[in-house]
Amino acid sequence: DTAVSQTPKYLVTQMGNDKSIKCEQNLGHDTMYWYKQDSKKFLKIMFSYNNKELIINETVPNRFSPKSPDKAHLNLHINSLELGDSAVYFCASSLAGGGETQYFGPGTRLLVL
Amino acid sequence: SQELEQSPQSLIVQEGKNLTINCTSSKTLYGLYWYKQKYGEGLIFLMMLQKGGEEKSHEKITAKLDEKKQQSSLHITASQPSHAGIYLCGADSYSSGNTPLVFGKGTRLSVIA
Repeated sequence: DTAVSQTPKYLVTQMGNDKSIKCEQNLGHDTMYWYKQDSKKFLKIMFSYNNKELIINETVPNRFSPKSPDKAHLNLHINSLELGDSAVYFCASSLAGGGETQYFGPGTRLLVL
Repeated sequence: SQELEQSPQSLIVQEGKNLTINCTSSKTLYGLYWYKQKYGEGLIFLMMLQKGGEEKSHEKITAKLDEKKQQSSLHITASQPSHAGIYLCGADSYSSGNTPLVFGKGTRLSVIA
């Protein structure tokens, strides 16, 4: 069983479109995250949710809106996609609290044309 | 804000050789994580270090955290093609609470026969 899964794995879309990426974890974790990895492979936190509540929101355009319908899911919706949004987006989860190992999904490769 | 610097940025070694990757933090590390990333896959958790002077091993990979908790090294003994990938160090960005990870820029390892 996949611990942290993301769909879709690949996403190619036109500028200006709205798209969503879904993430699910079956580890029973309380905390979920979205990270963005740019073309230079630099991985940066975007959002962190704990028990469905937004905990951390880094400097991310408000075109990005995370939604957590329950503890096991954290979806990322992106409005009005721009070329610069092209990246790999990783979902991760962990138990609550500092010092807990984060487990990552396989990533969603987004290409905006 | 905390920053992690990894060195080298890339490394090409012959199969069977040993190698070391370093990760230096701008601040005291509360938790240091090593992940491996292969193309098309998510991040695979390798090891986590928390205590100064701590050392952990898994198969042919050994990670150490220095006494001052500002530097970690990852050592691979007798490298194999399966070790190829991008190695990322990540650190808890806060001392407690729900902490996203701050990542280094990664070290790309190639192992040639």
